Amino acid sequence: DAKTTQPPSMDCAEGRAANLPCNHSTISGNEYVYWYRQIHSQGPQYIIHGLKNNETNEMASLIITEDRKSSTLILPHATLRDTAVYYCIVRAEYNFNKFYFGSGTKLNVKP
Amino acid sequence: EAGVAQSPRYKIIEKRQSVAFWCNPISGHATLYWYQQILGQGPKLLIQFQNNGVVDDSQLPKDRFSAERLKGVDSTLKIQPAKLEDSAVYLCASSPGLAGPSSTDTQYFGPGTRLTVL
Repeated sequence: DAKTTQPPSMDCAEGRAANLPCNHSTISGNEYVYWYRQIHSQGPQYIIHGLKNNETNEMASLIITEDRKSSTLILPHATLRDTAVYYCIVRAEYNFNKFYFGSGTKLNVKP
Repeated sequence: EAGVAQSPRYKIIEKRQSVAFWCNPISGHATLYWYQQILGQGPKLLIQFQNNGVVDDSQLPKDRFSAERLKGVDSTLKIQPAKLEDSAVYLCASSPGLAGPSSTDTQYFGPGTRLTVL
């Protein structure tokens, strides 16, 4: 029941910006977009979330298109420790706490 | 602030045996979730509690899985009897429980319990 589409894998050079795309074309007006990442053998870690406006925190930036049908997570200076699976998630319309996880994007940061 | 605690971290059992997992959420968090993550896939929600009441258990295989959250704090997830296809990581998460039509909630995950059924 995943409501998002992400590329299965991406490569990024260490020190460069990593731009991870996500399509959520069926998103409705009050559905937030969340990004989590999962480093090997750990639980998912919260990164950032947004509704309409672009958001930035100490970990990343989130760019949401005006029509809200897609978004991009930006890691401004990727390090080897950023190698992980990144999940773009929208919450359920009828259960505001319910997350649908897709298969995510495996980001490989290379030296 | 302490995170979500789970135990055990690893468990190996034979099929048809029983197993139980324990979760202690972040203090004060009203909502608790159990997810199943099969290798190579994203987490799938099994059950969601709001305080000690069940909000969503639509994807919980109720013939073999059960969960409880006594006193609205700790929770246990049980599998009885286990099948080979239950081999997965079982993740517990908690959130403050503030989500609504115009508000949002962030889930915080524990490290998970890796179950291997032989």
